[in-house]
Amino acid sequence: GAVVSQHPSRVICKSGTSVKIECRSLDFQATTMFWYRQFPKQSLMLMATSNEGSKATYEQGVEKDKFLINHASLTLSTLTVTSAHPEDSSFYICSARDSRGRETQYFGPGTRLLVL
Amino acid sequence: RKEVEQDPGPFNVPEGATVAFNCTYSNSASQSFFWYRQDCRKEPKLLMSVYSSGNEDGRFTAQLNRASQYISLLIRDSKLSDSATYLCVVRSADKLIFGTGTRLQVFP
Repeated sequence: GAVVSQHPSRVICKSGTSVKIECRSLDFQATTMFWYRQFPKQSLMLMATSNEGSKATYEQGVEKDKFLINHASLTLSTLTVTSAHPEDSSFYICSARDSRGRETQYFGPGTRLLVL
Repeated sequence: RKEVEQDPGPFNVPEGATVAFNCTYSNSASQSFFWYRQDCRKEPKLLMSVYSSGNEDGRFTAQLNRASQYISLLIRDSKLSDSATYLCVVRSADKLIFGTGTRLQVFP
C-alpha cells in the first residue's frame, strides 16, 4: 500500500529553538497533505492543510507564523515549529492524499516532539 | 459540543467477547465515515469505511444511521491483538474530523 514517511520520528529540543518535520509520500504524488497534532488522551486535531505550490490553509486558532508549512513538491511537505515552547510538545502526524484518488488519505508514523 | 463524540472507555473484555462502540456526529452535511484504529504511540490506521447499508469485514461490522447521525462498530470474537483505541472519523467539508477514541483492552 501507499507509504508516507516522517522525519524525525522523535525530537527533543530546548525551548526557543525551531524544529523542522518532514513528511514524504514515497510511492505516490500528493497534491494535498495535512498536518495534525495529538496531545495525550486527546483526538487528532487538524492544524493545517498543505497544498503543493500554494499557501497552506490553517485551522482556527493555529498560528501560521509559528507553524510554518512548505509544500514545495508533490512528495514533500515540511512543518517548522518556530521558537518551540514546552506547550508545543505533542505528537505531530502528517497525512497525504493520493492525487489520483479523492478520498484516500495515508498517514505518516508521526513525530514525537518534546520541548524542554 | 464536539463534532464527533465517542465514549472514551476503556472497554475491558475477555477474549472471544463481542463488543460494540458507538459514535455520534454533529454535522448533518458530513460526507463520509470511517473507523480507524490507533495503537499506543502510533499513527491511526484505517480499519474500515462505514456505509448506510452497513458493511462487514471479517469480525468487524460497521453501521451508519444518517437520520440519527450515529455510527457503530461491532467486533466479534475479540482477540488480544484487537486491543487498541478505535477512532470514529467523519469527513466534513473535505476534512477528516476525529473523535477522541474508545479504548479497548482484550484480556486472556
